[in-house]
Amino acid sequence: EVQLVQSGAEVRKSGESLKISCKSSGYNFNIYWIGWVRQMPGKGLEWMGMIYPGDSDARYSPSLQGQVTISVDKSISTAYLHWSSLKASDTAMYYCARRYSSAWGYWGQGTPVTVSS
Amino acid sequence: QSALTQPPSVSGSPGQSVTITCTGTSSDIGTNNRVSWYQQSPNTAPKLILYEVGNRPSDVPDRFSGSKSGNTASLTISGLQAEDEADYYCNSYTNSTTLGIFGGGTKLTVL
Repeated sequence: EVQLVQSGAEVRKSGESLKISCKSSGYNFNIYWIGWVRQMPGKGLEWMGMIYPGDSDARYSPSLQGQVTISVDKSISTAYLHWSSLKASDTAMYYCARRYSSAWGYWGQGTPVTVSS
Repeated sequence: QSALTQPPSVSGSPGQSVTITCTGTSSDIGTNNRVSWYQQSPNTAPKLILYEVGNRPSDVPDRFSGSKSGNTASLTISGLQAEDEADYYCNSYTNSTTLGIFGGGTKLTVL
């Protein structure tokens, strides 16, 4: 069974760094893209970027490029989303997802991130 | 690139059919069949219900169907059930990224 399990809720202050995780199981981690989606409070879904674990090829949404870094640790089948300096506007729910054909068919449960100013 | 355009809300009674549209441009929906739809119930992660316009994952009932014409994709839910009440999002590849872009979302209310 394919499962994506995300790390727990985070509360940080503006300017702090943060790395959240998405641990995969039940399939060959190396050969499926993993994506990250942001959902701000009461708003819709927005792509942040995606990564191919096999060669760590990472691609970012043009509107968010430079604000976050996506990485993987293949040894533990885990993808990461990293901020070096959080802003209050980063407050949101973050989901990871895995490719299913050309779509995204397997989702993590979400990680809520709260950033206070 | 701007989000795809969806109606903010639609509604229907149990047993009826509803259609949710998703309008893009010749740079996204109009240029490929990589259109997918997601259902999100309150406080839960999105769930894939259609991919490549009209294909259903095995766990999605055939009450859900999809189509595309020009720059507009559509999701039709027939035989509405109370459990279908949720937010629905479309997504399409674009000619510049396979990440795709989402629609703004449509809230379905089952009356």
